[in-house]
Parts: sequence; structure tokens; C-alpha cells
Amino acid sequence: SQTIHQWPATLVQPVGSPLSLECTVEGTSNPNLYWYRQAAGRGLQLLFYSVGIGQISSEVPQNLSASRPQDRQFILSSKKLLLSDSGFYLCAWSVSAGGLNEQFFGPGTRLTVL
Amino acid sequence: AQTVTQSQPEMSVQEAETVTLSCTYDTSESDYYLFWYKQPPSRQMILVIRQEAYKQQNATENRFSVNFQKAAKSFSLKISDSQLGDAAMYFCAYRRTTSGTYKYIFGTGTRLKVLA
Repeated sequence: SQTIHQWPATLVQPVGSPLSLECTVEGTSNPNLYWYRQAAGRGLQLLFYSVGIGQISSEVPQNLSASRPQDRQFILSSKKLLLSDSGFYLCAWSVSAGGLNEQFFGPGTRLTVL
Repeated sequence: AQTVTQSQPEMSVQEAETVTLSCTYDTSESDYYLFWYKQPPSRQMILVIRQEAYKQQNATENRFSVNFQKAAKSFSLKISDSQLGDAAMYFCAYRRTTSGTYKYIFGTGTRLKVLA
């Protein structure tokens, strides 16, 4: 069966520090991968999605970047965190063709920027 | 552009009663997928139910069922025999079936409170 991992689960970082959040998927090949941010009590904001290694689409111009160095690995990064980067970050995957069509979500990372 | 609207920021239901959460969407497509996700306090997103637009029959999963009105572009979720564990944020989501479509459009969510 497929599983999706995210780490760390919780992170507290000072303003101006770098960021690296990692997401890995097991049990599937060539998934579509997604990064979302969710502010407290709010909906999901799509940040990036990727349909293959090295292919990244950005949805919102911001202080963050994403990379996909391997088929089932998706990384969210920042060189210098802002206070506004605080939030709950969710990674998700979906099949690239056929089969089930829903997204499967990781457990999330709670990021606090102080 | 497609949009998904959840007009109820918060709903309450008595335990064992039935509640309906509303979702409307806007699209010019004829075929697409619709989903309801549940996000409990743990914040893990869990798929509750899915509906394919070409299927006229409403999807059902145990106590959860949908009322899919394609012409009205409405996709409401009915929870029967509500339980305390149903308390969560519920998100409605849409995705086109068009080849090469990767994005999912989410509504802003409805917070469901279950009263004992």
C-alpha cells in the first residue's frame, strides 16, 4: 500500500533562517506531488505541484521554492524565512494517470517562525 | 476558472442526528471529480467520499452520502447518525478529468461541531 511521510512534524525557526521540509511517498511510481499551506482555521493554499523529476509548477509567488530530486521525493525550501511563512504545511500525492483520482495527504508539518 | 464555495463556515449537530454540509462549484466542464475531505484536530486530511460527475448515482460510504445535483452544480455531504468523532473541518474539492490536469480546487471548509 502507499504511504506518504513528512518531516519534521514540528519546527520552530527564527526569522531569516533557512528552511527545508521533506516529503516522500512509498508504494507508487511517478506520482503527482503537491505542497499546500494552511493557516490556522483556514483552507488549503496550493504552493507548488510537480508531475515529474525536476518539474515544478509554482502557484503563488513567494519566499518559498520546491524541488523534486527523485521520483518520490518533494522538498520545500526557503533561504530566509519570514514571519508570514508560519503555518501548517501539507504534502500530497495523486496518481499521474488512471486509477483513483483523489489526493492522499501526509501528516503535515507545523512551522512557527519567530 | 473553476471555483468551489462552502458557504457554511461552521455547523453544529446533536449526536445521533443528521447534518448536511453544502458545497457549490463553478465549472464549464462536463466531466470532473468531486471529493469531501475531513480534517480532524490532528490535521490529517482524510478522504470521506468521492463522486465522478458522469455517474448519476449519488455516492455513499456508510453514514456518509452525497446529494450530487450536476445541473445546479451542487455537491452536499450528509452525515447520518452523527458521532463525536465526526467533529472536524470538512473540505469540498474539485478536479477536472481532462488529461494533463493536476490541480485540485478546495473550498474554504466547514467546521462541524458535534454536541453530546
